[in-house]
Amino acid sequence: DQQVKQNSPSLSVQEGRISILNCDYTNSMFDYFLWYKKYPAEGPTFLISISSIKDKNEDGRFTVFLNKSAKHLSLHIVPSQPGDSAVYFCAARGETSGSRLTFGEGTQLTVNP
Amino acid sequence: DAGITQSPRHKVTETGTPVTLRCHQTENHRYMYWYRQDPGHGLRLIHYSYGVKDTDKGEVSDGYSVSRSKTEDFLLTLESATSSQTSVYFCAIRDRTAQTAFFGQGTRLTVV
Repeated sequence: DQQVKQNSPSLSVQEGRISILNCDYTNSMFDYFLWYKKYPAEGPTFLISISSIKDKNEDGRFTVFLNKSAKHLSLHIVPSQPGDSAVYFCAARGETSGSRLTFGEGTQLTVNP
Repeated sequence: DAGITQSPRHKVTETGTPVTLRCHQTENHRYMYWYRQDPGHGLRLIHYSYGVKDTDKGEVSDGYSVSRSKTEDFLLTLESATSSQTSVYFCAIRDRTAQTAFFGQGTRLTVV
């Protein structure tokens, strides 16, 4: 079963506007959530994270919101730039051996000039 | 750059042949992971290691084995490659106290 889901395979926004990427999870034992960004032919790179004890974390243009009761997190990018065009993966870390990450399917963000 | 090197970067192999992918790190990190990326599935964990000679299965481990005889190297072996194992494979590393994992550049494997 898919414990982390990103229901939107793609998102297109205009430069300068807000991009909102969503992620839902089912496992209440996840204690840490991360967003990764991936360009074609490159490995995923870490973008921003949030602990399960917080509801918001901000880093420059990027903000992650966590709603534990809804088991939902979102990534806000403001303002969006063409260089933000990439695939964004949501990931969750559990308290299992190895603290491995469980990833969502990814959302392709396209920011149009 | 987190000091991770994957080799080879690209490989085409025939069905039924064994294939080994290598992940090499220079960070001395304890944890190492192998993921595969497929359209519609995101990144799925194949195997991981939490120390030399300590490995465990991930969610899609069938048909794969791993070995870690040194801290810096984590090998992924496809015992007998099948077309369903055509994918992009990523290695990741994580320090014991760190929250984030760092990924290599990936290996694109095609099984024909």
